Amino acid sequence: AQSVAQPEDQVNVAEGNPLTVKCTYSVSGNPYLFWYVQYPNRGLQFLLKYITGDNLVKGSYGFEAEFNKSQTSFHLKKPSALVSDSALYFCAVRDSHTGGFKTIFGAGTRLFVKA
Amino acid sequence: NAGVTQTPKFQVLKTGQSMTLQCAQDMNHNSMYWYRQDPGMGLRLIYYSASEGTTDKGEVPNGYNVSRLNKREFSLRLESAAPSQTSVYFCASSGLGTSGGGGEQYFGPGTRLTVT
Repeated sequence: AQSVAQPEDQVNVAEGNPLTVKCTYSVSGNPYLFWYVQYPNRGLQFLLKYITGDNLVKGSYGFEAEFNKSQTSFHLKKPSALVSDSALYFCAVRDSHTGGFKTIFGAGTRLFVKA
Repeated sequence: NAGVTQTPKFQVLKTGQSMTLQCAQDMNHNSMYWYRQDPGMGLRLIYYSASEGTTDKGEVPNGYNVSRLNKREFSLRLESAAPSQTSVYFCASSGLGTSGGGGEQYFGPGTRLTVT
């Protein structure tokens, strides 16, 4: 069965510092991995995805994520955080072999960026 | 281009009442989904429709029914609401085709439902 874990409920970082939001996953086949962001009282917005190819993927708003197959991780990163990055971030996984259309979401990590 | 729209935005029901949540997308996507979001639990898939004319159960389908009315519209019905169904409901769509794949999902703004 597929699963995804976000080990940190909350991440605090100062504006201008690099940020990392962690995600690990478990699938039986090859993973399709996604990051979404949710601002208050809004739906989720797609940030980036890994399907195949280069392990470092770049997405919206300067975010990037690195796929690490040996560690089954897909951590979200940004070199310099902005106050406006404060939001709830979700990692999600779909098993390319058995998951079909079922995407499993992590519980979410709340990011606070302090000015 | 409105993306994914949902109605209503807010709803309060009494236990045992029924209601239908509406969802529509204008992106010509084949696949549509209904999720619920509860604190600390992320999003959980209720039902999905891989393509027009098909629907399948997700992780938490009990107490819900769905209808894929056409390619654009996918509704979620609560036949007899229970307090455990108090949640925020999101509709989403994606252009995955009929065999799954790596397409990202586009979400509506959500419906906040309270069952008393």
